[in-house]
Amino acid sequence: DAKTTQPPSMDCAEGRAANLPCNHSTISGNEYVYWYRQIHSQGPQYIIHGLKNNETNEMASLIITEDRKSSTLILPHATLRDTAVYYCIVIRYGGSQGNLIFGKGTKLSVKP
Amino acid sequence: ETGVTQSPTHLIKTRGQQVTLRCSSQSGHNTVSWYQQALGQGPQFIFQYYREEENGRGNFPPRFSGLQFPNYSSELNVNALELDDSALYLCASSFEGSGANVLTFGAGSRLTVL
Repeated sequence: DAKTTQPPSMDCAEGRAANLPCNHSTISGNEYVYWYRQIHSQGPQYIIHGLKNNETNEMASLIITEDRKSSTLILPHATLRDTAVYYCIVIRYGGSQGNLIFGKGTKLSVKP
Repeated sequence: ETGVTQSPTHLIKTRGQQVTLRCSSQSGHNTVSWYQQALGQGPQFIFQYYREEENGRGNFPPRFSGLQFPNYSSELNVNALELDDSALYLCASSFEGSGANVLTFGAGSRLTVL
């Protein structure tokens, strides 16, 4: 599975959009981009995933570049409860789905 | 629908002892995975169970073992505990066959080895 690179930390003002980048330059054609987040003292939580089209759900939007070498997770109106570590993971759809390779992620701090 | 529940939430053991951690899967899920998360690090995959058999394993020694029961609940056993085993142990469940890597995680069991 492709390796990902994320900035170690980011700040965002409450109410503003949080844009979290992820580089995955070695991604293969059959690999999807998944995002999870981990709020302090909790287990990771699934956010969203995509292959090449932009995706949106009730939690966030995922923008994947045309060459698929990078992506951005967007939290449109960040709240204090969005403070968490965000993990970008690339994995083959239908692959050993229990085996997710987490890096160190991006620690997002939403400030009032 | 209930989520993933883990027990105990915290425990303290001494080096050389053995520990058993328990996990109840989310309703409708048939696959369980276990992860170890050291302080300041991302979770690391230990192994996965499907149909009561291990069907994937990360880079962990054999003293880490597990079980999955017919009701899809699971146990993680660690023998001969070492200080470096101190970590948060996370259980995650999913539905094999959906094709999607959407895991539901529990809140974890925090193990301290003295």
